[in-house]
Amino acid sequence: GAGVSQSPSNKVTEKGKDVELRCDPISGHTALYWYRQSLGQGLEFLIYFQGNSAPDKSGLPSDRFSAERTGGSVSTLTIQRTQQEDSAVYLCASSSPGTVEQYFGPGTRLTVT
Amino acid sequence: EDQVTQSPEALRLQEGESSSLNCSYTVSGLRGLFWYRQDPGKGPEFLFTLYSAGEEKEKERLKATLTKKESFLHITAPKPEDSATYLCAVQPWGETSGSRLTFGEGTQLTVNP
Repeated sequence: GAGVSQSPSNKVTEKGKDVELRCDPISGHTALYWYRQSLGQGLEFLIYFQGNSAPDKSGLPSDRFSAERTGGSVSTLTIQRTQQEDSAVYLCASSSPGTVEQYFGPGTRLTVT
Repeated sequence: EDQVTQSPEALRLQEGESSSLNCSYTVSGLRGLFWYRQDPGKGPEFLFTLYSAGEEKEKERLKATLTKKESFLHITAPKPEDSATYLCAVQPWGETSGSRLTFGEGTQLTVNP
C-alpha cells in the first residue's frame, strides 16, 4: 500500500518568508508525528497528533512553528518568518492504532537563504 | 531526560566481514527500542522493535538484541547494499510524551566490495 507522502520534496525560501509543509499519512493511521533532522544531528521530535488533537507539542522550537491536522488525516507544518537555522529536513511519520512502530515519509528538505 | 548514544559514528567493513553496532540508552521506562535504516536523501526505514531485555529479532543479515542498558545490531556477512546509516531510538512509557521517539545520531556503515 501507499506509504507516508510529503510535499514539497524540496523547498528553498528567503529568510523572513512563511512556508507550509504537508504530510499525508498512511491510510488508517491515527497518530502522526513531525521530526526535524539537521545536518550532523539526530532526528529531533517536534509535535505529535492523535486524531486532530496535539497532546504533545513540546518539541516545537519557537512560536514561529505551528502545525494542524484536519479530518484525522493530512497535516500541515507552518514555519513563519523563516530563519537560516530552520534549514533542515522535516520528516513526518505515522502509526496505526494500538501499535508503536512509526513509519516515515521521505521528508521535505527546507533551505532558507 | 531520555538519551541515546550510538557507536561507532562510522564503520567501514569489507564485504563478508561481520560486526556489531552499539546503542546505549537511558530512559525512565522503556516502552520500545527501535532500529531504523536511512539511505541518503530518504526517510528512515523501520527495521525492528524490541520491548524487553533478552529479546532478539532477525531479518536477513541483521539481528538486533536488547539488554537493560544497550542494544546491538549485529550484521553478519554484510553486502555493499547494507551500506546506510543505522538509527536507534527509544520510546518511553508515559501519557503525552510516551509516543515521541528519541533518536541517537546514527552509525554510518559502509561495506566495500
